[in-house]
Amino acid sequence: ELKVEQNPLFLSMQEGKNYTIYCNYSTTSDRLYWYRQDPGKSLESLFVLLSNGAVKQEGRLMASLDTKARLSTLHITAAVHDLSATYFCAVDIDNDMRFGAGTRLTVKP
Amino acid sequence: EPEVTQTPSHQVTQMGQEVILRCVPISNHLYFYWYRQILGQKVEFLVSFYNNEISEKSEIFDDQFSVERPDGSNFTLKIRSTKLEDSAMYFCASGPGGVNEQYFGPGTRLTVT
Repeated sequence: ELKVEQNPLFLSMQEGKNYTIYCNYSTTSDRLYWYRQDPGKSLESLFVLLSNGAVKQEGRLMASLDTKARLSTLHITAAVHDLSATYFCAVDIDNDMRFGAGTRLTVKP
Repeated sequence: EPEVTQTPSHQVTQMGQEVILRCVPISNHLYFYWYRQILGQKVEFLVSFYNNEISEKSEIFDDQFSVERPDGSNFTLKIRSTKLEDSAMYFCASGPGGVNEQYFGPGTRLTVT
């Protein structure tokens, strides 16, 4: 069974600091997605990573994928308050999308 | 910009009652999905639907659940006899398929009393 594990589950950061969220998964896949969810809201797609070594950046967020290690990272650079949200990684195996537990990020001034 | 819509936004029902949650996927998408999220927990896959049939379903999607595309635009999730533990946010998603990401609707909050 495909398992997707994220850590940390809770992350409290100071503004301006850097940090990395990790996503490990148990079965071979080359389709990994990162989503953002604000409290009480739906999921917003951030990144689609489709090959080993893929790296994508949008603003202060950068995501990477290592399919051999079955690991994706979401790196936050110089965090700002607006980045406070829950971040989910998800792995797709034949249209069966499994989500990690989510990382609840709080950025403090 | 096209978006996935869901109705109702909040549904309250009594245990044992049937509910139907409705979704209108993005019009040119071919794949449709239902997920649920119990408050404060992770998003759980329920079912994917393509070409008028279920393509994958999870262990959560048991006999009390069914999905249907009754016309060219709607995609519904029916829960036949609701239980307290069915209380959750239900998200519909659609996608073009292949490696593209899925687009999520705003969700329906289901409360079973």
